[in-house]
Amino acid sequence: GENVEQHPSTLSVQEGDSAVIKCTYSDSASNYFPWYKQELGKRPQLIIDIRSNVGEKKDQRIAVTLNKTAKHFSLHITETQPEDSAVYFCAAKDTGGFKTIFGAGTRLFVKA
Amino acid sequence: DTAVSQTPKYLVTQMGNDKSIKCEQNLGHDTMYWYKQDSKKFLKIMFSYNNKELIINETVPNRFSPKSPDKAHLNLHINSLELGDSAVYFCASSQTGGGGMNTEAFFGQGTRLTVV
Repeated sequence: GENVEQHPSTLSVQEGDSAVIKCTYSDSASNYFPWYKQELGKRPQLIIDIRSNVGEKKDQRIAVTLNKTAKHFSLHITETQPEDSAVYFCAAKDTGGFKTIFGAGTRLFVKA
Repeated sequence: DTAVSQTPKYLVTQMGNDKSIKCEQNLGHDTMYWYKQDSKKFLKIMFSYNNKELIINETVPNRFSPKSPDKAHLNLHINSLELGDSAVYFCASSQTGGGGMNTEAFFGQGTRLTVV
């Protein structure tokens, strides 16, 4: 079945450094790739997304890249701040739009 | 206005009981979901409904029965609760445009279910 693998499971960085989270997906029909941030005790919230017709998207300190051939996509956070500490989920949604498969999550710690 | 609201936020109950969680969205979305998040934070889809019709049932035990009276509501009823059902259950909604026009899912605040 469809699968999304996410690495690393835990990431610890110093404030100001960059953080990179990588995901791979198995369903070549996937065409929408959202990233969610979940703070402790809160709901997952979208931080950035990318569609299959683009290779890169940026929003201030956050960027996402997509390699459709390799079925890889990555989240890049630059100039990390303590408030970036959270669990981050990548996800892949198929063309039909009824199923979003989530990665296992990356727990990011930003040390001040 | 809360976009996706689910109640209750916390639910503590004994094994064997039956309980329900309610979810409503005011975003005008056509698709609603139930996700289960376990203690390790895995987010696993359980059900997907589009315009009140069940689209996806991810091999969830039939003790779990979703009901969608209209496209703005998706409730989850659980019979004969077991210890392993303890988790956070998230309702979510999205607009399914098809042909690459899918949108993000908006999540409710979650219901923490504890079975004792």
